[in-house]
Amino acid sequence: EDKVVQSPLSLVVHEGDTVTLNCSYEVTNFRSLLWYKQEKKAPTFLFMLTSSGIEKKSGRLSSILDKKELSSILNITATQTGDSAIYLCAVDMRFGAGTRLTVKP
Amino acid sequence: NAGVTQTPKFRVLKTGQSMTLLCAQDMNHEYMYWYRQDPGMGLRLIHYSVGEGTTAKGEVPDGYNVSRLKKQNFLLGLESAAPSQTSVYFCASSFLGEQYFGPGTRLTVT
Repeated sequence: EDKVVQSPLSLVVHEGDTVTLNCSYEVTNFRSLLWYKQEKKAPTFLFMLTSSGIEKKSGRLSSILDKKELSSILNITATQTGDSAIYLCAVDMRFGAGTRLTVKP
Repeated sequence: NAGVTQTPKFRVLKTGQSMTLLCAQDMNHEYMYWYRQDPGMGLRLIHYSVGEGTTAKGEVPDGYNVSRLKKQNFLLGLESAAPSQTSVYFCASSFLGEQYFGPGTRLTVT
């Protein structure tokens, strides 16, 4: 059965810290891995990683896909309170349970 | 552009009642999806559609039906609601992998 596993499930850090969120997957037919940020309502798109695009960066956020290890990491540097959210990893249409990140002032 | 919209935003049903959730998108996307989100469980795919007139089952399809009569609309039906269907329901649409989500419908079944 296909599955996507995220770790840790929750994380509390202080402003300025760097965090690394993990996503591992076992799927029959990999096409892409996506990261989303969910604050109070709907998830919003962060990155899409594929076999031809294994590293993405936007400001303080970056993500890498490791196809050999069937995993991905999402890094956030110099965290801010506005980064507090649930971060979701999805492989095609299957989502992980998410990592709840809390950034304290 | 409104993006993806969902109707209604909130609903309370009694066990055994039926209802339909409406999702509409104005981005001309082929793919549309219905998910439910429960605490600690992320998003679970209920049904999806790869184009007008087509639907397919997802991870948790039991107790739900869907229809995609028009490209821009994707309807989710509950024929006989059960307390286990209390959840937040999200609709999404996509073109090349990235999904755009609606604001969600919070459904409570008592």
